[in-house]
Amino acid sequence: ETGVTQSPTHLIKTRGQQVTLRCSSQSGHNTVSWYQQALGQGPQFIFQYYREEENGRGNFPPRFSGLQFPNYSSELNVNALELDDSALYLCASSGTPTYEQYFGPGTRLTVT
Amino acid sequence: AQTVTQSQPEMSVQEAETVTLSCTYDTSESDYYLFWYKQPPSRQMILVIRQEAYKQQNATENRFSVNFQKAAKSFSLKISDSQLGDAAMYFCADYSPTSGSRLTFGEGTQLTVNP
Repeated sequence: ETGVTQSPTHLIKTRGQQVTLRCSSQSGHNTVSWYQQALGQGPQFIFQYYREEENGRGNFPPRFSGLQFPNYSSELNVNALELDDSALYLCASSGTPTYEQYFGPGTRLTVT
Repeated sequence: AQTVTQSQPEMSVQEAETVTLSCTYDTSESDYYLFWYKQPPSRQMILVIRQEAYKQQNATENRFSVNFQKAAKSFSLKISDSQLGDAAMYFCADYSPTSGSRLTFGEGTQLTVNP
């Protein structure tokens, strides 16, 4: 059974640029949630995708958007990057029950 | 809105001793779940233990156990026989299926295990 994977591991971008982060869900899971974890803080919920549809969103601006594909993998896109977007981005997949969320290793994004 | 509070930014324990990490939560939901996650320096968030709110019995997983006080909205984690590998950031989180299917995390407690 393959766990949750994320790519890339690290990323450095310049303010104003756009970035795409990727997540492959665990086998058999149809739900993917994205979280932002700023340094020294707990993760904050960005949004969740269930069967290719957005299924809940946290308090993040529209420049944070996502996709889920038929194989349940997912992308997180962030436009017009700001310095405060520097964080660890965590992806979690779940099946049934949805509260059992399994996390990937994260992508460390640095915006300069 | 759900909130989770961890009032201990840092804790330390001697190897083989017992330590308790505190967590309080605030939710208006009747159906919810509580979790403790561990995040070592590798960054991977690992589930340590889960408690269903409808269960009165405290959850236990080997050396890890919780003290769930529903009326007080308290959910502490006890680690017995602490090991060096237990050193990590520990996050308390709650989840309600009727409140957005999201995990709401606390700010974390950094646990140091001294040899």
